[in-house]
Amino acid sequence: AQTVTQSQPEMSVQEAETVTLSCTYDTSESDYYLFWYKQPPSRQMILVIRQEAYKQQNATENRFSVNFQKAAKSFSLKISDSQLGDAAMYFCAYRSSFYGGSQGNLIFGKGTKLSVKP
Amino acid sequence: GAGVSQTPSNKVTEKGKYVELRCDPISGHTALYWYRQSLGQGPEFLIYFQGTGAADDSGLPNDRFFAVRPEGSVSTLKIQRTERGDSAVYLCASSPDWASGSGEQYFGPGTRLTVT
Repeated sequence: AQTVTQSQPEMSVQEAETVTLSCTYDTSESDYYLFWYKQPPSRQMILVIRQEAYKQQNATENRFSVNFQKAAKSFSLKISDSQLGDAAMYFCAYRSSFYGGSQGNLIFGKGTKLSVKP
Repeated sequence: GAGVSQTPSNKVTEKGKYVELRCDPISGHTALYWYRQSLGQGPEFLIYFQGTGAADDSGLPNDRFFAVRPEGSVSTLKIQRTERGDSAVYLCASSPDWASGSGEQYFGPGTRLTVT
């Protein structure tokens, strides 16, 4: 079974600076997807960024980028120019590909609480 | 367009009572997922619907939990004889068709269930 581990329960960053959130996962599959979700106090899970395992290029979305190391099974999220609105819980999630035979449910880590200091 | 909606937003019930939690997915989305998020944890998968049928209910913790999606749109999660350990946020997500592309899941705001 696949597992996702986030080893940083809490992180803090100064506004306008850069922070990196860590995520490692365990799988025997070769094709899968990885996601970072943001969950503010409103509880709504918001997709931040996704990465297809078969793509070597790291995904980027504006101030958000990932460092995907497939061999090391590592998937970290870098937030540049941090803003007060970035404060939230961040969850790393794994999903098997269709051809892996799963039904597409997400497997989440326990999350990292990010605080942004003004 | 409208996102995934869930009702009620909060539900407080007494131990032993029956509750229903509703999820209204994005129109046209065929895949629907229920997750449970306990305090301080990430969401955990409960059940997946493709259309009207429960394609995978392996995450349901026991037979007190049941979910339906009779017309392939709205889904209801039903919990019988609630226990204090059922207290959590119940999240619903929908997806156009998870087999195509990354199958991005769009989440609702969740229902916070408190069993006293």
